Amino acid sequence: NAGVTQTPKFQVLKTGQSMTLQCAQDMNHNSMYWYRQDPGMGLRLIYYSASEGTTDKGEVPNGYNVSRLNKREFSLRLESAAPSQTSVYFCASSPREGQNEKLFFGSGTQLSVL
Amino acid sequence: EDQVTQSPEALRLQEGESSSLNCSYTVSGLRGLFWYRQDPGKGPEFLFTLYSAGEEKEKERLKATLTKKESFLHITAPKPEDSATYLCAVQAPGTASKLTFGTGTRLQVTL
Repeated sequence: NAGVTQTPKFQVLKTGQSMTLQCAQDMNHNSMYWYRQDPGMGLRLIYYSASEGTTDKGEVPNGYNVSRLNKREFSLRLESAAPSQTSVYFCASSPREGQNEKLFFGSGTQLSVL
Repeated sequence: EDQVTQSPEALRLQEGESSSLNCSYTVSGLRGLFWYRQDPGKGPEFLFTLYSAGEEKEKERLKATLTKKESFLHITAPKPEDSATYLCAVQAPGTASKLTFGTGTRLQVTL
């Protein structure tokens, strides 16, 4: 069972470069999320997509854009990377949005911005 | 603003030595409290959801309990494979997909 698959696992960028983090789930879930995890801070929601065709801002959306390509795929784009975006990024999915949901997480992307 | 505080930050136990992890929360009406386990280099893995004060859930050596202000994750006779970071999160009404996570308790169980 693949579950939630994220690529790449590791990435190093220079300040100002752009990149897209990819996420795909094979559980037929409706909702997908992007979180970042930083030392000493809890997981913070960047963007989420309650269902195919919709996206909404989370707690820390500045500097990011997302695309819900289809029901399976949800990508996160950094248009002009900054050192403050150095973090571990997790994609997650859930069967449906907003009802005491249980999240299924990918294994993460470790991003360093120099 | 919803807040979640977990304690201790780190805990080292010997195999078989039971203990509890604490999750204190401040939220305007709790919709759900979640416990996750996270292994190094991996994403969090769901353990439990608790909905109302007095509720308890168990899974193997873990038992989660909930009061109006905090939740405890009790670990009975832990084994080295229970070593991980345990995360607590809360969901408030009307926040739909937005969980507020604590910073976690890093548990190490030694032989």
